[in-house]
Amino acid sequence: DIQMTQSPSSLSASVGDRVTITCRASRSVSTYLNWYQHKPGQAPKLLIYTASNLQTGVPSRFSGSGSGTDFTLTITSLVPEDFATYYCHQSFSIPPTFGGGTRVEIK
Amino acid sequence: QVHLVQSGPEVKKPGASVKVSCKASGYTVTTFDISWVRQATGQGLEWMGWMNPKSGNTAYAPKFQGRLTMTADTSIDTVYMELSGLRSEDTAVYFCAREVRYSGSFFESWGQGTLVTVSA
Repeated sequence: DIQMTQSPSSLSASVGDRVTITCRASRSVSTYLNWYQHKPGQAPKLLIYTASNLQTGVPSRFSGSGSGTDFTLTITSLVPEDFATYYCHQSFSIPPTFGGGTRVEIK
Repeated sequence: QVHLVQSGPEVKKPGASVKVSCKASGYTVTTFDISWVRQATGQGLEWMGWMNPKSGNTAYAPKFQGRLTMTADTSIDTVYMELSGLRSEDTAVYFCAREVRYSGSFFESWGQGTLVTVSA
């Protein structure tokens, strides 16, 4: 199985901050890498697919980049509703695997 | 608008089975694959398996082989996930997700989640 490692596991930030979350795969996943936002008690929400494609309806402050083994999710200016846990997910090989999550908390 | 609506919470004893449903609306369930993903309390997301509702083909994560069964009733646009031999470690929220295949695949829409509690 491909292991996905996210860092940091949690961070504290303020409204308006720029936030960067990284995801590293144990071997290349090409660009078959997706990002989700998850809030407690809700369904996860797709933000970015295939490394850098913004899902319809997702605000442009979210962006993704990377290929191979190293990927980044960036939120350019945090707003209150962005405080959540973020997961990366590789679909390069079966079984698909998720990173351990990055919890973004209010400073 | 696409919605996946799951059945309600369940409480089961160790060794029992649970069957969770996921009803699709806004599209015909045979047109997309469905995956099931679970999240144990305080843990991350874990993929359990995948089903093509049209063909009935399935693929399960190795750790669930022999305990997991995914089925579909396409006449009511509903897919099911049944997990047998429940143990306390299976206590989790279970999600169904519509899977879009595009340069790999991604989970485009998710159900609201079903809490399954395994307790004696």
